[in-house]
Amino acid sequence: AQSVTQLGSHVSVSEGALVLLRCNYSSSVPPYLFWYVQYPNQGLQLLLKYTSAATLVKGINGFEAEFKKSETSFHLTKPSAHMSDAAEYFCAVSDGLTGGGNKLTFGTGTQLKVEL
Amino acid sequence: DAGVTQSPTHLIKTRGQHVTLRCSPISGHKSVSWYQQVLGQGPQFIFQYYEKEERGRGNFPDRFSARQFPNYSSELNVNALLLGDSALYLCASSRREMGPGELFFGEGSRLTVL
Repeated sequence: AQSVTQLGSHVSVSEGALVLLRCNYSSSVPPYLFWYVQYPNQGLQLLLKYTSAATLVKGINGFEAEFKKSETSFHLTKPSAHMSDAAEYFCAVSDGLTGGGNKLTFGTGTQLKVEL
Repeated sequence: DAGVTQSPTHLIKTRGQHVTLRCSPISGHKSVSWYQQVLGQGPQFIFQYYEKEERGRGNFPDRFSARQFPNYSSELNVNALLLGDSALYLCASSRREMGPGELFFGEGSRLTVL
């Protein structure tokens, strides 16, 4: 069984400050890991994914995440927050096989608030 | 190009009724997945279809069923609705040759069961 745990259901940062959203995973097989973002009243959008090619993954909108096997973590960071980053962020894991690899197990989400 | 489209966007049903939700994938995408997102939680996997065949099923009761049509659109059906079925139902499409989990989501159908 696979699972992800997102630490902190709400995170608040100032505009221009570092964004750090935490995700820890549990998987019995080498995992595929993802970060998705959900803006109000919209569907989810893929930010970035880890598929074992490189431990530091760069995504859209200046976000990146680092896969750390020893810590079973896949934290999402952005050096400088922008007001438009305010949204809900979901970490997800897949075994790459179930449902054609499209069975994702999502965390409970972290709501990011960006303040002036 | 049009994204994943879902209909209806909002609907209200009463307990015991039946509901059908529809999804049109992005052109060229042959895989459709369905997820249920209860308020305050992350999405939960319900089904995945590829080339009209069910390729994966989540931990949902038999009241939930789905199918995929020759044009790759899909329907999700839920029978004997319960209050706990109130949720945002998300459809996602992908091309088979894309990496695992690279899903394109629609904006969802918000179901309220009274």
